[in-house]
Amino acid sequence: QITLKESGPTLVKPTQTLTLTCTFSGFSLSTDGVGVGWIRQPTGKALEWLAVIYWNDDKRCSPSLKSRLTITKDTSKNQVVLTMTNMDPVDTATYYCAHRRLPDSSGYYVDAFDIWGQGTMVTVSS
Amino acid sequence: DIVMTQSPDSLAVSLGERATINCKSSQSVLNSSNNKNYVAWYQQKRGQPPKLLIYWASTRESGVPDRFSGSGSGTDFTLTISSLQAEDVAVYYCQQYYDTPQTFGQGTKVEIK
Repeated sequence: QITLKESGPTLVKPTQTLTLTCTFSGFSLSTDGVGVGWIRQPTGKALEWLAVIYWNDDKRCSPSLKSRLTITKDTSKNQVVLTMTNMDPVDTATYYCAHRRLPDSSGYYVDAFDIWGQGTMVTVSS
Repeated sequence: DIVMTQSPDSLAVSLGERATINCKSSQSVLNSSNNKNYVAWYQQKRGQPPKLLIYWASTRESGVPDRFSGSGSGTDFTLTISSLQAEDVAVYYCQQYYDTPQTFGQGTKVEIK
């Protein structure tokens, strides 16, 4: 059974750096095809894709946030860490980590997310 | 960025009736090399994370009821709930994973009439 759980501060001040950890079980980030992504959602608003890291350490980040985002993995700890610098009140949101769906019978990689954590709410305020 | 535009923003449907949600991408998300449309649909109930319903625009995820179906190609996609049930009340999102950044639609809220 695959599970993911986000952890980190609930409140950060403007200009501070946010560090979020996704701790997962039921899969390994060293297995071919596996990926873990981060998606955020301001209350009452739409989903916003932030970043994804793959089993081969390939990484993709949102270009609009690329200068502020870092995504890393610790395979031995089954964790993915997202850092976002220079936080602003507009970054207030629920942050989710999610498991990238493995290839189906077609064999092609599916960059959709089949298992999500419950999310962690982060408020940016002084 | 590829912009995903959903319509309508909300809809109210009677129990047992059909609900149709549209999603239009600002550019084609069809990969001609494998003939697959890189679109997924999610359902998000209040206070919960999203749930994957459909990928490759029309492939139902395991365990998803067959009243949910996806269709479309290129730039125009549809999620259909053939017979709305009370438990289908939620916000539905389309997503393209054809290009980085992956992008989501703004969401469509489905309610019971």
